[in-house]
Amino acid sequence: DADVTQTPRNRITKTGKRIMLECSQTKGHDRMYWYRQDPGLGLRLIYYSFDVKDINKGEISDGYSVSRQAQAKFSLSLESAIPNQTALYFCATSDVDRPTDTQYFGPGTRLTVL
Amino acid sequence: DQQVKQNSPSLSVQEGRISILNCDYTNSMFDYFLWYKKYPAEGPTFLISISSIKDKNEDGRFTVFLNKSAKHLSLHIVPSQPGDSAVYFCAASEMNRDDKIIFGKGTRLHILP
Repeated sequence: DADVTQTPRNRITKTGKRIMLECSQTKGHDRMYWYRQDPGLGLRLIYYSFDVKDINKGEISDGYSVSRQAQAKFSLSLESAIPNQTALYFCATSDVDRPTDTQYFGPGTRLTVL
Repeated sequence: DQQVKQNSPSLSVQEGRISILNCDYTNSMFDYFLWYKKYPAEGPTFLISISSIKDKNEDGRFTVFLNKSAKHLSLHIVPSQPGDSAVYFCAASEMNRDDKIIFGKGTRLHILP
């Protein structure tokens, strides 16, 4: 079983719709992250959470919100989707107790906003 | 302003030869550097890392070199194999600040038969 899972894997929606992307992890990590990947732009951080009561904005948080429901769950919401939010979205986790800062990524959610 | 730059969007290398992927950074406070590998339809996976107190780290066929004065790092893959064809992301972080990782745009490596 995968350590970091994302649902759905693919989603097509219309402009103005509310969308939620979910992430679950079984690694027992405290830290979770949401990134988006656009062609030619690499990975950009949207939001991150260092524990259940901690939520922080990343580089491109406008138009997004998150909820850390439990240590293992971190969801990303688009309250009113727009076409330029069409992208590949990745959830990641990391372990604060490791001496390194390696992040473990989920398989991604491909979101298309029409 | 890009803090981590991978100026080559793609690179083609013959199987068996050395692949060299380059990365430059602008933030002198970065103290930890990582390389991630990504296959299509999968999330990035951690490949190798290096702390700023070192100038080289080796793991099997993969070696990362760090030149702090030039703010440059490179990933060497020797010998290159077909399974190495993927997108490689260079990344950096300030471990004593907030541990956020800043990624470059990636370089697509093609290993030619």
